[in-house]
Amino acid sequence: AQKVTQAQTEISVVEKEDVTLDCVYETRDTTYYLFWYKQPPSGELVFLIRRNSFDEQNEISGRYSWNFQKSTSSFNFTITASQVVDSAVYFCALSEALDRDDKIIFGKGTRLHILP
Amino acid sequence: EPEVTQTPSHQVTQMGQEVILRCVPISNHLYFYWYRQILGQKVEFLVSFYNNEISEKSEIFDDQFSVERPDGSNFTLKIRSTKLEDSAMYFCASSVSAGGNQPQHFGDGTRLSIL
Repeated sequence: AQKVTQAQTEISVVEKEDVTLDCVYETRDTTYYLFWYKQPPSGELVFLIRRNSFDEQNEISGRYSWNFQKSTSSFNFTITASQVVDSAVYFCALSEALDRDDKIIFGKGTRLHILP
Repeated sequence: EPEVTQTPSHQVTQMGQEVILRCVPISNHLYFYWYRQILGQKVEFLVSFYNNEISEKSEIFDDQFSVERPDGSNFTLKIRSTKLEDSAMYFCASSVSAGGNQPQHFGDGTRLSIL
């Protein structure tokens, strides 16, 4: 069965520090998609990245980077030089190509506090 | 850029009352979804809808829930007789196709408070 585990419930770092949010997933499928979403205090879900299972290349977007390791079923997210505006709940998520409807399975989220 | 829009942003309803949450998916999208997030918890899949019928539903989506696409633009979630535990944020999403080729686009959510 598919499952997403975010072991870190809450993290606090001081502004300008780097922080890594961990995500481990389980799936039966060989073709799947991994996501990260940001949920600020206002409540909306902000899409950050979508990665398919055949693309293990790491990605960098500004201060954000993602490390996808199929060997360990992990898709970790790093924020470099964190800022107070990065404070939010971050969700890792998975959908499987075998699932014809592409429902997204979310992890429980990591609440990130960036302290000034 | 086209967006999924949800109304209202916040709905307050007495327990036992019916509530309808409204969503306008992106116009050329064919797959529609509802997700629920109880306060402080993860986002959970409720139901998917394609070709005017439910494709899949979770165990959360019991007989109290229904979905409808009453016209060419709206996609609604109805809760027939609300309970306190229905208080949550409800997210609508849509996509052009399934099979993973196209991502789901989420609305900003409707916060439902049951009193």
